[in-house]
Amino acid sequence: QKEVEQDPGPLSVPEGAIVSLNCTYSNSAFQYFMWYRQYSRKGPELLMYTYSSGNKEDGRFTAQVDKSSKYISLFIRDSQPSDSATYLCASRNSGNTPLVFGKGTRLSVIA
Amino acid sequence: DVKVTQSSRYLVKRTGEKVFLECVQDMDHENMFWYRQDPGLGLRLIYFSYDVKMKEKGDIPEGYSVSREKKERFSLILESASTNQTSMYLCASRGQGRTGELFFGEGSRLTVL
Repeated sequence: QKEVEQDPGPLSVPEGAIVSLNCTYSNSAFQYFMWYRQYSRKGPELLMYTYSSGNKEDGRFTAQVDKSSKYISLFIRDSQPSDSATYLCASRNSGNTPLVFGKGTRLSVIA
Repeated sequence: DVKVTQSSRYLVKRTGEKVFLECVQDMDHENMFWYRQDPGLGLRLIYFSYDVKMKEKGDIPEGYSVSREKKERFSLILESASTNQTSMYLCASRGQGRTGELFFGEGSRLTVL
C-alpha cells in the first residue's frame, strides 16, 4: 500500500462549484501535510500547509487534516477556471525526511 | 524571488546515451531532490541529498546516479539511457526550517528514442 493515496480523477466541475479533494495516508508518524498545485507543463507550487490536525483557511481554499482517520482534504469554494490544475497532497514526519506525494487529482473548472 | 532552475526543459536522447540533468537553486538550501513524474504514477523520488557530497537513494534509484559537488547544484545522471526512462524529471530544494516547503523547478521532459 502506498503511504499516501489519492484519487487521480479527472474531476470536472462547473465554475462556482465547491470542490472537495481528498487523500488518505497510512503512516501515523506523519506530522506535516501539504497541498501542491501544478499547472500544465509547470513544476508543483505549495498551495496550503498544515501541521498536525485541524483546519487552515486561505481565501477560497481550506485544508483539513483528521489524524484520527488519517484523512487529508482540500476544499475550494467558488471555483474558477484558473483553478484548473493537478492537485497533489503530500505528507512527511517530523524528521528531515522527504515528502511522500499522492498521485495527484486533475481538476477542470468549466466556465 | 526564490528559484530552482533546471538546465534543459526538453531533451531528446538515444538509447545508451549518457544524460546529465542539471539543477541549481539560489536559496542556500541544504536539501535537494530529484523526482520523476509519469501519468498514473505520480511523483516518485529517485535520489535526494541533505548536504554537499551526500546522497541517499529514494524509491526508484535504479538506472540513475547523482552528484552534489556544490551546495547549490544537484545533478541527475543517466549512465545509459533507456526508453523506460522517458519521463518528466523534477528537481526540488528545501531548507531546514520547520515547515520544510519544497520548491520545484519547471521540470525537464526527457524523451529516449
